[in-house]
Amino acid sequence: GNSVTQMEGPVTLSEEAFLTINCTYTATGYPSLFWYVQYPGEGLQLLLKATKADDKGSNKGFEATYRKETTSFHLEKGSVQVSDSAVYFCALSDQPGGYQKVTFGTGTKLQVIP
Amino acid sequence: EAQVTQNPRYLITVTGKKLTVTCSQNMNHEYMSWYRQDPGLGLRQIYYSMNVEVTDKGDVPEGYKVSRKEKRNFPLILESPSPNQTSLYFCASSLSYFDEQYFGPGTRLTVT
Repeated sequence: GNSVTQMEGPVTLSEEAFLTINCTYTATGYPSLFWYVQYPGEGLQLLLKATKADDKGSNKGFEATYRKETTSFHLEKGSVQVSDSAVYFCALSDQPGGYQKVTFGTGTKLQVIP
Repeated sequence: EAQVTQNPRYLITVTGKKLTVTCSQNMNHEYMSWYRQDPGLGLRQIYYSMNVEVTDKGDVPEGYKVSRKEKRNFPLILESPSPNQTSLYFCASSLSYFDEQYFGPGTRLTVT
């Protein structure tokens, strides 16, 4: 079946540091890929997405490129802020065998210290 | 305001007492889904619905039921809750399964 693997956290960075959160996936078809962010006590909200190979999603300084050859969708940001502290989830949507499923990774907690 | 609402937000109940968590969206979305979030396991899909009267199992459907009688509502039913169903539950909706999902605020359920 489909799966999403994220690097384990927590990740602790100083403000203005460079961020990379790795995400790799397995899927039977041609999935859409997403990064969601969850702030403490809240539901998830979309950060960025990509729907086909070589697409780059970007939002609020975050970027991720859909790499089909390496089945990856790594999240990057050049300079993190304290306000970026949250849990980040990589996810894919696919239609394996006709089932319209959405699969999430386990989440990576990011803590940014001043 | 476009939103997904869930009720209740917090619920403590006892083993075997039937309960329903409601979910409603006002965006005319076709696709709706229920997830549970557990530490170290991320979000796991319980059930989803592609449209009215069309539902299907996700990855962890055991012990849950759903119905989709109206487009905007997608209640989650626990007929006989057990302690291993203690979790944080999220409802979500989207235009289709490959579009971004909009999440509700979550329901924290404790079964004793």
